[in-house]
Amino acid sequence: AQKVTQAQTEISVVEKEDVTLDCVYETRDTTYYLFWYKQPPSGELVFLIRRNSFDEQNEISGRYSWNFQKSTSSFNFTITASQVVDSAVYFCALSEAGSGGYNKLIFGAGTRLAVHP
Amino acid sequence: KAGVTQTPRYLIKTRGQQVTLSCSPISGHRSVSWYQQTPGQGLQFLFEYFSETQRNKGNFPGRFSGRQFSNSRSEMNVSTLELGDSALYLCASSFGQGFREQYFGPGTRLTVT
Repeated sequence: AQKVTQAQTEISVVEKEDVTLDCVYETRDTTYYLFWYKQPPSGELVFLIRRNSFDEQNEISGRYSWNFQKSTSSFNFTITASQVVDSAVYFCALSEAGSGGYNKLIFGAGTRLAVHP
Repeated sequence: KAGVTQTPRYLIKTRGQQVTLSCSPISGHRSVSWYQQTPGQGLQFLFEYFSETQRNKGNFPGRFSGRQFSNSRSEMNVSTLELGDSALYLCASSFGQGFREQYFGPGTRLTVT
């Protein structure tokens, strides 16, 4: 069965520290997509990245980077030089091709990141 | 482009009543998905509509239903409300038929008393 685990419930860092948010997933499908979303206090989920199961290339976008490793079923997210504006809840999600999964996202429980000045 | 809009933003209902929530997707997006977010269960998929057809349904009772109109706008309905239905209901839209990133609206906060 499909499952997404974000073991870190809360992380607290001081501004400018680097922080990594862990995500481990389970799926039987060979074709699937992984996502990261950010939920600031306003409540709206903000899309950050999408990665398909055939592309293990790491990605960097500004201070954000993602490490996808199929061998360990992990899709970790690193924020470099964190800022107070990064404070939010971050969700990792999985979408499978099987059973018409398409836009059915399975979310992890989320990691609440607090960045202190 | 305007983002996903949801109305109303806040709603208070009494147990046993029914409620209808509305979602307008980003222009050009034909897929609309609904999610329920609660502190206890987290984010859970309710259902997805594409071109007025329900493509997928989550594990929720039949009291939860939805529909999509020809202009891609979607509504979800919850009948016979229970206290446990209190949640943030999020709507998301995406372009096309396959795997795409979903863009979420601000949500409707439903409180059942």
